[in-house]
Amino acid sequence: EAQVTQNPRYLITVTGKKLTVTCSQNMNHEYMSWYRQDPGLGLRQIYYSMNVEVTDKGDVPEGYKVSRKEKRNFPLILESPSPNQTSLYFCASSSQGYEQYFGPGTRLTVT
Amino acid sequence: GQSLEQPSEVTAVEGAIVQINCTYQTSGFYGLSWYQQHDGGAPTFLSYNALDGLEETGRFSSFLSRSDSYGYLLLQELQMKDSASYFCAAPNTGGFKTIFGAGTRLFVKA
Repeated sequence: EAQVTQNPRYLITVTGKKLTVTCSQNMNHEYMSWYRQDPGLGLRQIYYSMNVEVTDKGDVPEGYKVSRKEKRNFPLILESPSPNQTSLYFCASSSQGYEQYFGPGTRLTVT
Repeated sequence: GQSLEQPSEVTAVEGAIVQINCTYQTSGFYGLSWYQQHDGGAPTFLSYNALDGLEETGRFSSFLSRSDSYGYLLLQELQMKDSASYFCAAPNTGGFKTIFGAGTRLFVKA
């Protein structure tokens, strides 16, 4: 089954404790992206990647890191999480950019 | 700045037709996508318009007018299961950087 997976689905952590949210896709898509979703703000792009070792900033990259060492994986790293990073996070992949397939989401709470 | 504007809420009755508008201001406009998101779920792709005109996919259609920087999603024969949030989205710098509208919450009433 073609899909995008994310782990964990739910995470509660404390300020400053480094964490990684994994994202994997099995559709051989070159394009992958991370978004955060907050009430009333829609989806805001954090980082995106157009291929292995090619990443670029979206609209809200501060406080986040990404890497793309393999085509199928695109982890999101929060080196020192803060409460304002409490949000719902989605990973997406695409072959074209305009038709994106989203993972199930990761609900992160930073206390 | 670069933005997509949509109404925050729309209410319609079952069996009716509803139109969700999206006006945009972006650089390097390539086209307009539409996504549906049910509560607790992930966004799912509905349609994409690269050219002006109407694209039809079953009960859903999407329209784009580049000259007016405007598009809309048209939902026909509304069903209760269409109650969801709908987002327009556009790549905005010639690459895969994508911006989304804030979303329109559609309530379908019996």
